[in-house]
Amino acid sequence: SQTIHQWPATLVQPVGSPLSLECTVEGTSNPNLYWYRQAAGRGLQLLFYSVGIGQISSEVPQNLSASRPQDRQFILSSKKLLLSDSGFYLCAWSVPGKNIQYFGAGTRLSVL
Amino acid sequence: QKEVEQNSGPLSVPEGAIASLNCTYSDRGSQSFFWYRQYSGKSPELIMSIYSNGDKEDGRFTAQLNKASQYVSLLIRDSQPSDSATYLCAVSTGFQKLVFGTGTRLLVSP
Repeated sequence: SQTIHQWPATLVQPVGSPLSLECTVEGTSNPNLYWYRQAAGRGLQLLFYSVGIGQISSEVPQNLSASRPQDRQFILSSKKLLLSDSGFYLCAWSVPGKNIQYFGAGTRLSVL
Repeated sequence: QKEVEQNSGPLSVPEGAIASLNCTYSDRGSQSFFWYRQYSGKSPELIMSIYSNGDKEDGRFTAQLNKASQYVSLLIRDSQPSDSATYLCAVSTGFQKLVFGTGTRLLVSP
């Protein structure tokens, strides 16, 4: 069966510090991968998605970036965090050609 | 801008009642529709998917789709306190992406 791992679960970072969140999927090959952010009381905002190694599409211009160095690994990064980057970051995967997405447990980021 | 609209709630129902959650979407070309449940502080989990007009039942859950009216709903029969959560409606946009509504918060009182 497929599983998705996301870490860390919580993170407190100062403004201006770098960020690296990692997501890995097990039990499937060549998944579509997604990064979402959910601000407090808000909906899910798609940040990046990837259909293959090195293929990243950005949905929202901001100071975040994403990379997919391996088939089942998806990394969200920032060089300098802003207060507005606080939120609940969710990684998700889907089978190529299918629309159902499955979510990891999420990372709650607080930028202070 | 493709949009998915939901009433934020909270929708309050007594235990044992039917909860009715509604969602409208703007993209007439959408083909796939999903309901996710999100407990406070947790990630969304898929509870229902529906692809064609009509009803789809799974246990206490029934999803209803009306593409002509661009409307999808979720009925929860015999609501339980454990059903208290935020319910997210998601609609496919093509290109293997989903657009999510902001969710409806459901409160089921004992």
